[in-house]
Amino acid sequence: NAGVMQNPRHLVRRRGQEARLRCSPMKGHSHVYWYRQLPEEGLKFMVYLQKENIIDESGMPKERFSAEFPKEGPSILRIQQVVRGDSAAYFCASSPDTDLRNTEAFFGQGTRLTVV
Amino acid sequence: EDKVVQSPLSLVVHEGDTVTLNCSYEVTNFRSLLWYKQEKKAPTFLFMLTSSGIEKKSGRLSSILDKKELFSILNITATQTGDSAVYLCAVIIQGAQKLVFGQGTRLTINP
Repeated sequence: NAGVMQNPRHLVRRRGQEARLRCSPMKGHSHVYWYRQLPEEGLKFMVYLQKENIIDESGMPKERFSAEFPKEGPSILRIQQVVRGDSAAYFCASSPDTDLRNTEAFFGQGTRLTVV
Repeated sequence: EDKVVQSPLSLVVHEGDTVTLNCSYEVTNFRSLLWYKQEKKAPTFLFMLTSSGIEKKSGRLSSILDKKELFSILNITATQTGDSAVYLCAVIIQGAQKLVFGQGTRLTINP
């Protein structure tokens, strides 16, 4: 059973470009969370999704950021018109279908986004 | 605003020493507190604490929660170089499906 898979592991974008980060949850998991980690800081919650639904996006910046988790395929975190301040590690976590218990929120390896 | 604060931010000790990492929190509606170890990339789960005064133990690591004073400690005895990592504390808010993280403690174990 593969763990949470994120790709790419590293992504370099020029200012103004778009960044698309992908997260495939563990098999059988239909809850996905995205967190952002700035250098030397803890992880900050961004968004919580279930299949085809955004449940809590209270941590998402109001502009340029969006997330989806379609019925088929991975969850996507999309950042439009990236700026230098978007440079960070973006982590995805998933948890099982039946009940959301954060002890079973397994984290992926993260995508390190660098905006140049 | 919900807040989790860890101390120290950084700690350097020698192999074999015992360390204590601190985590205090101010949140609206506490449900549980978790500890994670983050080495190169993905945080890996260590403990979840929900009740006060009950020690959780795993090998050389142990943790306890004080819900009256709003803090938790993580102890590591007989430290090894492989314990070098960032240790993250996070709180789950009742009714919210998210973790509020502290800024982490960077622990370095020198041989």
